[in-house]
Amino acid sequence: DAGITQSPRYKITETGRQVTLMCHQTWSHSYMFWYRQDLGHGLRLIYYSAAADITDKGEVPDGYVVSRSKTENFPLTLESATRSQTSVYFCASSDRGLNSPLHFGNGTRLTVT
Amino acid sequence: AQRVTQPEKLLSVFKGAPVELKCNYSYSGSPELFWYVQYSRQRLQLLLRHISRESIKGFTADLNKGETSFHLKKPFAQEEDSAMYYCALIYNQGGKLIFGQGTELSVKP
Repeated sequence: DAGITQSPRYKITETGRQVTLMCHQTWSHSYMFWYRQDLGHGLRLIYYSAAADITDKGEVPDGYVVSRSKTENFPLTLESATRSQTSVYFCASSDRGLNSPLHFGNGTRLTVT
Repeated sequence: AQRVTQPEKLLSVFKGAPVELKCNYSYSGSPELFWYVQYSRQRLQLLLRHISRESIKGFTADLNKGETSFHLKKPFAQEEDSAMYYCALIYNQGGKLIFGQGTELSVKP
């Protein structure tokens, strides 16, 4: 399912640095999502977007910023990375919203030292 | 508050045994529930959704509003069912999808 790609696959950064995780989809899906996956917490929604220029907070938005200037891209920025943001980040998209299947990327494993 | 709870982190069964992965939810509205699965080295993907009342790979899940549960069941587990399973709930008038903590299913030969 190569229609949604995340980059980088792995990233190590230092506390306080700004990091941007990229997400690109080729289906022109309206909806895009960012989740983080942590042991004991499962997947938690960070931000989502219903269309270009429309974004909304999820369960754990603090410390993250998103933008959606183009339908196909949905970057996630950690403005000042903290150790608690060490996680695996998943981007997902869907065409008709949450009632249609989410298509997930391969994930980005981020380590903040 | 909206919540999805999967009480078992790990469920281990033998091949051919019945499987039930538990999912309980907390939501005052009308729930839309899903099961997602992540096989080893593969992407997370939708397994089934309650509105479709479907059976996928032998799995079924029934929404029980009285018990606020959406347990995933399969009568005879196969080794290839070994994976991480996540229960998920839509809320906020369809605006948000939240996941449970996940249950790792291990099917032994």
